[in-house]
Amino acid sequence: GDSVTQMEGPVTLSEEAFLTINCTYTATGYPSLFWYVQYPGEGLQLLLKATKADDKGSNKGFEATYRKETTSFHLEKGSVQVSDSAVYFCALSANTGGFKTIFGAGTRLFVKA
Amino acid sequence: DARVTQTPRHKVTEMGQEVTMRCQPILGHNTVFWYRQTMMQGLELLAYFRNRAPLDDSGMPKDRFSAEMPDATLATLKIQPSEPRDSAVYFCASAGGQAYNEQFFGPGTRLTVL
Repeated sequence: GDSVTQMEGPVTLSEEAFLTINCTYTATGYPSLFWYVQYPGEGLQLLLKATKADDKGSNKGFEATYRKETTSFHLEKGSVQVSDSAVYFCALSANTGGFKTIFGAGTRLFVKA
Repeated sequence: DARVTQTPRHKVTEMGQEVTMRCQPILGHNTVFWYRQTMMQGLELLAYFRNRAPLDDSGMPKDRFSAEMPDATLATLKIQPSEPRDSAVYFCASAGGQAYNEQFFGPGTRLTVL
C-alpha cells in the first residue's frame, strides 16, 4: 500500500540555519504530495503542496520539489526562525478523488534563538 | 474565514463514562475524517465519511467507538465506555470543493480518561 517515510526528529537548529527534512514515498500512480505543519496546541494545517512531477510547492519561505525519479519530497528553508518550531508532516493523496491522505510520522523541529 | 470547529476543546472524564465529541466541517465540504493523535502512536485515521456515508472505519475499535454524521453540518465521535488508553487528542478534518485533496483540520479535542 501507499506509505510515507520521513526523517526522525527532533531536529534542533539555531535561528537562521538551513533546514532540510527528508521525505520519501511509495505509491501506485501519481499522487499529490503535501507538507502539513502543526504548531503547539493546534491542528495540522497545509504548508505547501505539489500535484505532479517536478512541481515545486512553496509557502512562507519553505519549498519542496516533487521528484518522481527519487520518489522524494524534501522540505527546505534557507533561514529558519524561532516561530518555525513545530511538527512537520509529509503526506500523500492519490489523485483519484478519494481525499484520503497518508501521513508520515512527523518530524519535530526546535529552533533556538 | 471558513474553519472546522470541534467541541469540546478539552474533556476530562472517568473510566466507564460515555464521551461525545462533535465536529462542524467547512460548509460545502463533503468528506469528513476523524483522527487520533498520541505521542506513542502518532496520527491515526479512525474513520471517514463521504456525503455523510461511512467509507472506512477500519481504524476504529468497533466495540466502544462509533462515528456518525446526522447531517451535513455535524459529525460525532462517541466512546462508550471510555478507558484510560483512549486519552489522546482527537482531530476532525474536512475536505471537498476546489481544494479537493487538501484536508482542513479542526483544533482538536483533548480527552483525558482517568
